[in-house]
Amino acid sequence: EVHLVQSGGEVKKPGESLKISCQGSGYRFTTDWIGWVRQRPGQGLEWVAVIYPGDSDTRYSPSFQGRVTISADKSINTAFLQWSSLQASDTAIYFCVLGRAAGLFDPWGQGTLVTVS
Amino acid sequence: QSALTQPRSVSGSPGQSVTISCTGTSNDVGNYNYVSWYQQHPDKTPKVIIYDVNKRPSGVPGRFSGSKSGNTASLTISGLQGDDEADYYCCSYAGSSTPVVFGGGTKLTVL
Repeated sequence: EVHLVQSGGEVKKPGESLKISCQGSGYRFTTDWIGWVRQRPGQGLEWVAVIYPGDSDTRYSPSFQGRVTISADKSINTAFLQWSSLQASDTAIYFCVLGRAAGLFDPWGQGTLVTVS
Repeated sequence: QSALTQPRSVSGSPGQSVTISCTGTSNDVGNYNYVSWYQQHPDKTPKVIIYDVNKRPSGVPGRFSGSKSGNTASLTISGLQGDDEADYYCCSYAGSSTPVVFGGGTKLTVL
């Protein structure tokens, strides 16, 4: 069975850096896109970025380009999302998602709550 | 790249049918048969219920169906049940450069 397990919640101050993680299991990590979706408190889903671990090809939403960096470490089947300087507006749950096909994300990780205050 | 447009809320009584629309453009919904729908109960992780416009993952009841016409995709839920009360999001492939766009979400209330 395919699983995505994310790192725990974080509380940070504005201006601090952060890197959250998502470890995949039960599938071949290098042959599926893996990405991140943001959900601010009480708000909808927003696609952030995806990466193809096989060759580190990346795609970013224009809304997040330059604000975050997605990466992956094939040796530990783990994808990452990082910020160099957090803002209060980054406060949200970040879901890790497996891109099974065009527009299809399944499964989803349990979510990582990032609080910037 | 703008979000797909969904109604903020819809409602229906148990047993009835409801349809949620998802309007995009010729750059996303209108150009690809890669529309998916996600159900999210409060404080839960989203779950895919429709993909490739009208395909259901195993385990999703046949009461959920999807369709598309032009730039608008639709999710229809028939035989409404209380557990269907949730937020629903559409998602479309939008090309290789920025491949994903979500709708703003629709809150379904079962009266």
